[in-house]
Amino acid sequence: DTGVSQDPRHKITKRGQNVTFRCDPISEHNRLYWYRQTLGQGPEFLTYFQNEAQLEKSRLLSDRFSAERPKGSFSTLEIQRTEQGDSAMYLCASSLGLNQPQHFGDGTRLSIL
Amino acid sequence: GNSVTQMEGPVTLSEEAFLTINCTYTATGYPSLFWYVQYPGEGLQLLLKATKADDKGSNKGFEATYRKETTSFHLEKGSVQVSDSAVYFCALSDVGNGGGSNYKLTFGKGTLLTVNP
Repeated sequence: DTGVSQDPRHKITKRGQNVTFRCDPISEHNRLYWYRQTLGQGPEFLTYFQNEAQLEKSRLLSDRFSAERPKGSFSTLEIQRTEQGDSAMYLCASSLGLNQPQHFGDGTRLSIL
Repeated sequence: GNSVTQMEGPVTLSEEAFLTINCTYTATGYPSLFWYVQYPGEGLQLLLKATKADDKGSNKGFEATYRKETTSFHLEKGSVQVSDSAVYFCALSDVGNGGGSNYKLTFGKGTLLTVNP
């Protein structure tokens, strides 16, 4: 069990650029979640995959956001035309089966200049 | 919708003091309840959980009891250490609608705990 891995740890970009984050879940975990955490707040749910199927998306996930999980393994979260308000910590979590605890990665901190 | 309210911080204690961090929730169905801890520069770590009413979760000297009648899940520790300094998050899992379960987590805003020697 190597834990949930996220890459990069920190991304700095100019407003209007596209960014992509990667999450590698714990091996054999079929559920994968993305959350966003802003300063002084708890994480907020963005989207959820069971295997390769994206089963739910939050209203927080605007059309500029897209997430994929090809082959049900790693996942990517892309933000197009980044805005200042996108600055946050993006957290990935995975879990094994029904109602099992979610294990979180260390997150990707996005800073928009 | 679901929500979690936890006591505002920051909380500052001396080593060996008693800790309580209050957490109440609003949810449909029968959620599971969690406490996560976030140490500086690190990701969230599961501290303890409880899956049904009257369950007590415990780990590393921390305890919390699932109280359905008061919709609460307060975190307690009898004697805190400097190494317990971190941000603590109360959370519940969403059972979902129509019998489907996505178990997404709804978090409180977090409580910063600082323990001084």
